Amino acid sequence: EDKVVQSPLSLVVHEGDTVTLNCSYEVTNFRSLLWYKQEKKAPTFLFMLTSSGIEKKSGRLSSILDKKELSSILNITATQTGDSAIYLCAVPLVFGAGTILRVKS
Amino acid sequence: KAGVTQTPRYLIKTRGQQVTLSCSPISGHRSVSWYQQTPGQGLQFLFEYFSETQRNKGNFPGRFSGRQFSNSRSEMNVSTLELGDSALYLCASSSLAGVNNEQFFGPGTRLTVL
Repeated sequence: EDKVVQSPLSLVVHEGDTVTLNCSYEVTNFRSLLWYKQEKKAPTFLFMLTSSGIEKKSGRLSSILDKKELSSILNITATQTGDSAIYLCAVPLVFGAGTILRVKS
Repeated sequence: KAGVTQTPRYLIKTRGQQVTLSCSPISGHRSVSWYQQTPGQGLQFLFEYFSETQRNKGNFPGRFSGRQFSNSRSEMNVSTLELGDSALYLCASSSLAGVNNEQFFGPGTRLTVL
């Protein structure tokens, strides 16, 4: 059975900190790994990763896939209160439980 | 460009009833996927439609069904509602077939089963 595990489950940091969110997966037929940010209701797309070792960046957020380790990380530098959200990883029919990030001012 | 719209936004039903939820994708998107989100199980994939054909299906009982119309709008139906069906139902659309693509989510329909 395909599985996605995210860690940590929750995290509290101060503005300006850098955070690293982890996602590990077990799938029978890997095609891609996606990261989403969910604030109030609808998740919003962040990244889609298909190739190992190639970093994707968008502003202060970046992500990389390691197919050998069956994992991905999402980095957020210089965190802001607006980064407070649930971060979801998916492969892609199976979603992880998410990491709840809270950024304190 | 208008986003994904879902109706109704909130719904209260009783056990045994059936419910139909509607999703209108972003204009030009032909793929629509449905998800159920609960505090205990997280986000779970229900099914995906592309050009009126179901392409992928999650591990849900047959009480959950869906369809897609020629204008790409999609409906999801849940029959014989159970208390455990209370959840946020999210719809997502994509311009490409398959869920291995960037998806745009709607605001969801909050279903409460009493």
